[in-house]
Amino acid sequence: DTGVSQDPRHKITKRGQNVTFRCDPISEHNRLYWYRQTLGQGPEFLTYFQNEAQLEKSRLLSDRFSAERPKGSFSTLEIQRTEQGDSAMYLCASSQDPVGEAFFGQGTRLTVV
Amino acid sequence: AQKVTQAQTEISVVEKEDVTLDCVYETRDTTYYLFWYKQPPSGELVFLIRRNSFDEQNEISGRYSWNFQKSTSSFNFTITASQVVDSAVYFCALKTSGSRLTFGEGTQLTVNP
Repeated sequence: DTGVSQDPRHKITKRGQNVTFRCDPISEHNRLYWYRQTLGQGPEFLTYFQNEAQLEKSRLLSDRFSAERPKGSFSTLEIQRTEQGDSAMYLCASSQDPVGEAFFGQGTRLTVV
Repeated sequence: AQKVTQAQTEISVVEKEDVTLDCVYETRDTTYYLFWYKQPPSGELVFLIRRNSFDEQNEISGRYSWNFQKSTSSFNFTITASQVVDSAVYFCALKTSGSRLTFGEGTQLTVNP
């Protein structure tokens, strides 16, 4: 396994469009996380899955955002009716235990024009 | 609430100089975990180290060393004999009872030849 994989790496979309990102975690990791990072800032937590269950969601995750992990493997993050403020890097991470290190993917950079 | 402060926004050094990146954290939990990550220009966060709150031993790994002091709530990171390849943004992060990592705002380190 080569690590956490995210697709696409870059996405440019028009305001109001819907976008979906995919994350494939390290195969033996049952914990998966989504973070958002804007320019010059540290990553901010969005949501967390243990297997297929979404156990925690940040207040940053407005009702336009939805995340799924249907079979406890890959995950998708969808943003509906995108706004310019959604422009950011969306990072996915996975880990094997709740207090161990999380391994991050290379991220999906979203630009809303 | 948890908070991580990295007061140094940017540091610039000349190759072979030693450099220390500061990290101060706030938490009311007695059990917590501290992390350092490196983010090179490619964007992927690379795990460097994890420490738990009960282990105040300092750690050295090659040119990297970490100084954990609970009395001052600090977890500083020193690079000895810096190299150009060390240029990156470095993030300190905190995890407590929940699943999320709380990141600082990062320190941009530039090592000039």
